[in-house]
Amino acid sequence: AQSVAQPEDQVNVAEGNPLTVKCTYSVSGNPYLFWYVQYPNRGLQFLLKYITGDNLVKGSYGFEAEFNKSQTSFHLKKPSALVSDSALYFCAVRDTGFGNEKLTFGTGTRLTIIP
Amino acid sequence: EAQVTQNPRYLITVTGKKLTVTCSQNMNHEYMSWYRQDPGLGLRQIYYSMNVEVTDKGDVPEGYKVSRKEKRNFPLILESPSPNQTSLYFCASRRTSQGDTQYFGPGTRLTVL
Repeated sequence: AQSVAQPEDQVNVAEGNPLTVKCTYSVSGNPYLFWYVQYPNRGLQFLLKYITGDNLVKGSYGFEAEFNKSQTSFHLKKPSALVSDSALYFCAVRDTGFGNEKLTFGTGTRLTIIP
Repeated sequence: EAQVTQNPRYLITVTGKKLTVTCSQNMNHEYMSWYRQDPGLGLRQIYYSMNVEVTDKGDVPEGYKVSRKEKRNFPLILESPSPNQTSLYFCASRRTSQGDTQYFGPGTRLTVL
């Protein structure tokens, strides 16, 4: 079975400071990992994904995430937060085992950037 | 423009009155899926479809039906809605290629009174 944990329901960061949104996962095989962002009254927008290769993945809006296999983590980061980054962030995982098409989401982390 | 569309975006209905939420994608994706989003629970999968005429249950299928008669459309049917189905619903689609990105519709906010 695959699962995702986002240990923080809420993260507050001052504008201009670096931000981190945490995600850990559990799979039996190798993972595909995704980050999505949801702005108020909007659908989920894709930010970035890890499939294979370089552990540091760069995505939209200056976000990046680092795949750490030993810690089974895929934390989302940004060097300098903007007020416009305030949103709900979801981590998702898909086990690459044969025939598995399911994408499992975490419960979400609400990021608030304080001016 | 490549997109997933859902209709209606907002719906208020009463217990027991059958309703359908439509979902359509123009990217020729094989895989389509329905999720519901509830506070503190994240997104939970209701049903998914690997291709035309191929559907299967997700984590929370009770009270829902789906069909996939055409590749582009994947409607969600609530035969007899109940208040516990009040939620925000998202349709999504992607190719079945390994690691492909899943794209989401704008969401349908359903209230069952």
